[in-house]
Amino acid sequence: DAKTTQPPSMDCAEGRAANLPCNHSTISGNEYVYWYRQIHSQGPQYIIHGLKNNETNEMASLIITEDRKSSTLILPHATLRDTAVYYCIVRVGGGADGLTFGKGTHLIIQP
Amino acid sequence: DTAVSQTPKYLVTQMGNDKSIKCEQNLGHDTMYWYKQDSKKFLKIMFSYNNKELIINETVPNRFSPKSPDKAHLNLHINSLELGDSAVYFCASSQGLAGVYEQFFGPGTRLTVL
Repeated sequence: DAKTTQPPSMDCAEGRAANLPCNHSTISGNEYVYWYRQIHSQGPQYIIHGLKNNETNEMASLIITEDRKSSTLILPHATLRDTAVYYCIVRVGGGADGLTFGKGTHLIIQP
Repeated sequence: DTAVSQTPKYLVTQMGNDKSIKCEQNLGHDTMYWYKQDSKKFLKIMFSYNNKELIINETVPNRFSPKSPDKAHLNLHINSLELGDSAVYFCASSQGLAGVYEQFFGPGTRLTVL
């Protein structure tokens, strides 16, 4: 699986959009970009994934650059409950491989 | 309804003991996993099972023995517990092997070995 690089921490004001960057310059053509988050003392939670195109669901939007070497997770209207560690993971779509979690970004939403 | 459940939530035990953690998923998924999150918060895959068959064993000591009695359950038995086994253990499940499936995680079991 390709390695990812994320900032260790970020702050965002409540109600504003939180933009979390991820670099994955060695991503392969068949690897997807996944985002998970872990709220304190809970299990990780899936947020969104994408291959080439931008994706949006009820939780977030995922913007992937044209060369696929980086992506941005956008939480459009951050709330205090979005405070968590966010993990960007790159892996192939199929297979029973586990997820390889890095250190992630600790996003703190400020009131 | 809880999608992936684990019992117990907390487990405190002495070194050398044998303990089990149970995991159940009611999502109808074929694939289940065990992860370990250590004190530094790194989350690592330990095992994955597909249709009750072991697929991945990530160099975990053989004191750890997963058992899958059916597709909905993947239990983790740990023999001769050591201090270094103290961690939070997460069970997860996903729909299958082929395709792009997200993993659903349980709430975790915090194991403390004294």
